[in-house]
Amino acid sequence: EDKVVQSPLSLVVHEGDTVTLNCSYEVTNFRSLLWYKQEKKAPTFLFMLTSSGIEKKSGRLSSILDKKELFSILNITATQTGDSAIYLCAVNAGGTSYGKLTFGQGTILTVHP
Amino acid sequence: SAVISQKPSRDICQRGTSLTIQCQVDSQVTMMFWYRQQPGQSLTLIATANQGSEATYESGFVIDKFPISRPNLTFSTLTVSNMSPEDSSIYLCSVRGAQTEAFFGQGTRLTVV
Repeated sequence: EDKVVQSPLSLVVHEGDTVTLNCSYEVTNFRSLLWYKQEKKAPTFLFMLTSSGIEKKSGRLSSILDKKELFSILNITATQTGDSAIYLCAVNAGGTSYGKLTFGQGTILTVHP
Repeated sequence: SAVISQKPSRDICQRGTSLTIQCQVDSQVTMMFWYRQQPGQSLTLIATANQGSEATYESGFVIDKFPISRPNLTFSTLTVSNMSPEDSSIYLCSVRGAQTEAFFGQGTRLTVV
């Protein structure tokens, strides 16, 4: 059974801090790993990673995938209160499971002023 | 990115009743996915809806409880039947996008009393 584990489950920081969120996975027929930010109901897409060692970057957020060690990290630098949210990691498997996502438990990030 | 309109945004329902959630996409898509997020939990896939065939349900979900329709390539409905308080969740539909494996609708927050 496909499995995605995120750590830490929650994190409290102050504005300006840098945070690293972790995601490890076990999945057959790996296709891609995705990061989402969830503030209210709908998860908002951040990154999709398919190749090892290639960093994806968007502003203060960046992410990288290690397919050998089966994990990914999401970095947020110079955090702001608006970064407070649940960050979800999900893995998409290919084959007969193509298109279905398996989600981790999420990391609840709280950024204090 | 695809624009997904999901209705209703939220509802409070009596136990024993049923609620139908609608998901409309602004472009034709082959597969649509329905997820559930129970309070404090991550997203779990309920089923995959393909146009012209019966939905494929994940382990733990059955058609009698969560009937799904997919009349065309831009629309799907999920019905939560004979509701109990345990069905109180956020329900989300998703489709594949050009840059991501899953793009989500706004979600439906269901409370069963």
